[in-house]
Amino acid sequence: GQQLNQSPQSMFIQEGEDVSMNCTSSSIFNTWLWYKQDPGEGPVLLIALYKAGELTSNGRLTAQFGITRKDSFLNISASIPSDVGIYFCALVNTGNQFYFGTGTSLTVIP
Amino acid sequence: DAGVTQSPTHLIKTRGQHVTLRCSPISGHKSVSWYQQVLGQGPQFIFQYYEKEERGRGNFPDRFSARQFPNYSSELNVNALLLGDSALYLCASSLVRENTQYFGPGTRLTVL
Repeated sequence: GQQLNQSPQSMFIQEGEDVSMNCTSSSIFNTWLWYKQDPGEGPVLLIALYKAGELTSNGRLTAQFGITRKDSFLNISASIPSDVGIYFCALVNTGNQFYFGTGTSLTVIP
Repeated sequence: DAGVTQSPTHLIKTRGQHVTLRCSPISGHKSVSWYQQVLGQGPQFIFQYYEKEERGRGNFPDRFSARQFPNYSSELNVNALLLGDSALYLCASSLVRENTQYFGPGTRLTVL
């Protein structure tokens, strides 16, 4: 099956610091998605990437679709307490199967 | 506009029982997908339905089934429940089957 590796597994940072996390896949995909999930809730879509090399921002969030189409990163600038949560990358293959990474748990210390 | 809604929010069942979970997509969305999320892991894809037909299936046993209704709402059914079926079951909808998905809050299923 598809291998989707997400790192780091967890992060503890001070408020105001920048954050970077990434995902790598064992295969080439056409779409990378980044989600955030708060405890007890469903994931919320943050950024969608559709083209290799694409760089997209959503407020303090920036994500890029790697040139090789096998990786993506998500950056959060000037972190705030409400950034706390679990961040997932996700992919969809041509068979309409969706794959999620293992998640990066982010803790922001005020 | 209302987001994806799921019912019930919480459910407790015993081994061997059957469960039905329900999902209403965002208005105008025709595709619904189901996921199982075990504590500490990412969501695992179960099914995708589009225009009332199954369009994708993950690696789950035949005890799991689903259907989509003419109004695009969907049900997930799980038979002969096992302890390992305890999880958060998420529903997601999208405009068309290839589009990005928006998730509901999930149904927390506990099997005792």
